[in-house]
Amino acid sequence: DAMVIQNPRYQVTQFGKPVTLSCSQTLNHNVMYWYQQKSSQAPKLLFHYYDKDFNNEADTPDNFQSRRPNTSFCFLDIRSPGLGDAAMYLCATREGRVYNEQFFGPGTRLTVL
Amino acid sequence: AQSVTQPDIHITVSEGASLELRCNYSYGATPYLFWYVQSPGQGLQLLLKYFSGDTLVQGIKGFEAEFKRSQSSFNLRKPSVHWSDAAEYFCAVGGGGATNKLIFGTGTLLAVQP
Repeated sequence: DAMVIQNPRYQVTQFGKPVTLSCSQTLNHNVMYWYQQKSSQAPKLLFHYYDKDFNNEADTPDNFQSRRPNTSFCFLDIRSPGLGDAAMYLCATREGRVYNEQFFGPGTRLTVL
Repeated sequence: AQSVTQPDIHITVSEGASLELRCNYSYGATPYLFWYVQSPGQGLQLLLKYFSGDTLVQGIKGFEAEFKRSQSSFNLRKPSVHWSDAAEYFCAVGGGGATNKLIFGTGTLLAVQP
């Protein structure tokens, strides 16, 4: 089945130690999104790619960066994680050339010690 | 400002009872409306969506929602709740366009009593 895959599902890192989260998709969608979701809150958009064009939300901290080497893969890099970055990170995709919904992956739960 | 309001943070219903989750939006243009469900520790799954046409939309798992433009509402309903429906439900609005950024409500956590 076509899907959005996130690895790892659970990630533990130490305060200040860089971490990379991965998202891949078999849907061949040209738009990919990264969201941060803290406990009992709505997902918050960090940034998205439309094809190779990167779009950062105005309030996304500089500590968060992203790479999209090809259509299928997108990475979220947290350069120096703080305790406040502990959250669920959700990847979503969408076919941007028609109007439809976003498809979400299962998420990566990040713990910062 | 664009926003989505889900007035009920937490709802408890008995299994077999009917359910209605409320969603109100504020959006300057024609809204595209979505309901997503999230089970604990999981991603978001689309229940249903409204883009245009019939204002009563059917979704998966027996859910339906009705778009009422005059009330700026898009309430989610289910006639008979199952224990497996216990989850968090998010209403979202998007404006279309190339990137379709979604604005989410704060969610409603549904508990189902046996």
